[in-house]
Amino acid sequence: QSVLTQPPSVSATPGQRVTISCSGSASNIQNNYVSWYQQLPGKAPKVLIYDNNKRPSTIPDRFSGSKSGTSATLDIIGLQTGDEADYYCGTWDSSLSSYVFGTGTKVIVL
Amino acid sequence: EVQLVESGGGLVNPGGSLRLSCVASGFTFSSFSMNWVRQAPGKGLEWVSSINSNGNFIYYGDSVTGRFTISRDNSKNSVYLQMDSLRADDTAVYYCARDRGMGVGSTQYFQNWGQGTLVTVSS
Repeated sequence: QSVLTQPPSVSATPGQRVTISCSGSASNIQNNYVSWYQQLPGKAPKVLIYDNNKRPSTIPDRFSGSKSGTSATLDIIGLQTGDEADYYCGTWDSSLSSYVFGTGTKVIVL
Repeated sequence: EVQLVESGGGLVNPGGSLRLSCVASGFTFSSFSMNWVRQAPGKGLEWVSSINSNGNFIYYGDSVTGRFTISRDNSKNSVYLQMDSLRADDTAVYYCARDRGMGVGSTQYFQNWGQGTLVTVSS
């Protein structure tokens, strides 16, 4: 049972925007950095966002992250068919002394 | 280029043991914390364990505490996961992942990932 909750799936047509939420608590999201990972089918995960809203240099600016209180959000604008994947949020949980991942969200490009 | 190559996965009986290895290249291994993350078939990601750059600080997930042991050999650019008392629910792809820096905890994130090694626990 994950301590970070994400919607099971979100969908949109190419070019549209999708938003993925990640809900946690004071012991994890509120007081620690959040990162986001993309996992394409059959592949290893890859970091998209770290420190709540920073992107590695190889990640396009169509991907952005934000955090407010005990929740974090990943936005994808200009959705592409290649964005169809599973997305996970993650952060340290200070009470558990553990790194925790979200339940994962499948992005479906219609 | 950062490369992480896992090995050691396979089929093992319940109650058995297995040792996973991850060999790193393309960066100064001794300057980075390392991690193991697993993914059961059709399921989400689960953090397993982290070890800081010099091996002095180690953390485990609740589901593996007391059964798994993480270690590293900076002279061999390698991190290991000794898995004992294996159970069917340990069946998963195990990924080795490099952290952003030396420490573990609140600033952690997984900057680079290997391709994973499959562990199947079944009789």
